[in-house]
Amino acid sequence: SQQGEEDPQALSIQEGENATMNCSYKTSINNLQWYRQNSGRGLVHLILIRSNEREKHSGRLRVTLDTSKKSSSLLITASRAADTASYFCATDRSGSRLTFGEGTQLTVNP
Amino acid sequence: ETGVTQTPRHLVMGMTNKKSLKCEQHLGHNAMYWYKQSAKKPLELMFVYSLEERVENNSVPSRFSPECPNSSHLFLHLHTLQPEDSALYLCASSQDGLAGALQQFFGPGTRLTVL
Repeated sequence: SQQGEEDPQALSIQEGENATMNCSYKTSINNLQWYRQNSGRGLVHLILIRSNEREKHSGRLRVTLDTSKKSSSLLITASRAADTASYFCATDRSGSRLTFGEGTQLTVNP
Repeated sequence: ETGVTQTPRHLVMGMTNKKSLKCEQHLGHNAMYWYKQSAKKPLELMFVYSLEERVENNSVPSRFSPECPNSSHLFLHLHTLQPEDSALYLCASSQDGLAGALQQFFGPGTRLTVL
């Protein structure tokens, strides 16, 4: 499997519910980042968590990092229809190079 | 909106055409990137420029030729492309640092269709 794999590939929930997406990676990292992409558009950075951090919050977003399991999760609380997008995790491997996963397609139904 | 602009937003070209994609960043960053995004595939890093020097070329076919005349501008010159090159081409920039990869700012992308 590739560095930075998201799970599940697709997730469909109702507005107001929480959405949880997971990311696994293989090699050691300096940090892990989550990005969001609306259909056919560029990626937007959501949050960066460093390897010495375990949890980070930003608004309705909560990211956890478990370096022993080489995994991260992104939790979106109280989801809205506008949260519908693809979500990618990205890990750095050397210098400024990021490796992106295939993404999780989140659909939030009104 | 993100400080990184790309033109054109959409491009349709024949296999014998020559065209160029343009990217401009207004963020004062020192690194710029070209990515290719095909359906059902992860983003593929194509080229990286740091301080206007190309530092990485991930075995991209020679029909793709990058150019970085200064730290704010990045071009991708295209010639004799194949239909499988149809994809969304994304430009990004970041402030290159020593403490690992930092946040990258993406442009809206150019949707390329090769007929």
